[in-house]
Amino acid sequence: DSGVTQTPKHLITATGQRVTLRCSPRSGDLSVYWYQQSLDQGLQFLIQYYNGEERAKGNILERFSAQQFPDLHSELNLSSLELGDSALYFCASSVGSMGDRINTEAFFGQGTRLTVV
Amino acid sequence: DAKTTQPTSMDCAEGRAANLPCNHSTISGNEYVYWYRQIHSQGPQYIIHGLKNNETNEMASLIITEDRKSSTLILPHATLRDTAVYYCIVRVYTGGGNKLTFGTGTQLKVEL
Repeated sequence: DSGVTQTPKHLITATGQRVTLRCSPRSGDLSVYWYQQSLDQGLQFLIQYYNGEERAKGNILERFSAQQFPDLHSELNLSSLELGDSALYFCASSVGSMGDRINTEAFFGQGTRLTVV
Repeated sequence: DAKTTQPTSMDCAEGRAANLPCNHSTISGNEYVYWYRQIHSQGPQYIIHGLKNNETNEMASLIITEDRKSSTLILPHATLRDTAVYYCIVRVYTGGGNKLTFGTGTQLKVEL
């Protein structure tokens, strides 16, 4: 158990809908990262937050957004869903921003499997 | 981030050492080498990381060549549970936001 909690574990929804994925980082971790893993793309970095502020952005679609709340949990919002958005969505957390010289490792949750039908 | 090259797949007999190579010939002086693994659609699991010196922990050893252009992850006594995709990642310190850029990794299959 990595200590990172993601809910829900599975989600089935229709095209055009909007969903929210939730992530609770490990206790004490300030950074949260979101990744998408689909069959043909591998693990793709979406976005990173550090202590409530956006720190890095990957190839995140405009239909997707995220935020990190004062209690440090994070939510990934996916809207106008398309069939191609079906994937595993992982959240990871680390103590620092991973830009720190400490270079702490990131711990991943077990993911949310999103199926868009 | 520096690009890494790993073999697509490897096999290893249970109980033997698994040596997983990674080339990162364009690595810069401040870039760390990280290893993660992913067991069948579970969340990636951190294994080990290093900068210059060889590192060892309870899971594995990391051997980094003197020129830092390649590294090897060693699982000393592989078990069936070590069957997974292993990712070698080069991580740079930028002072700001960061990410781990995963490649395609090496599918390690441990067999009896």
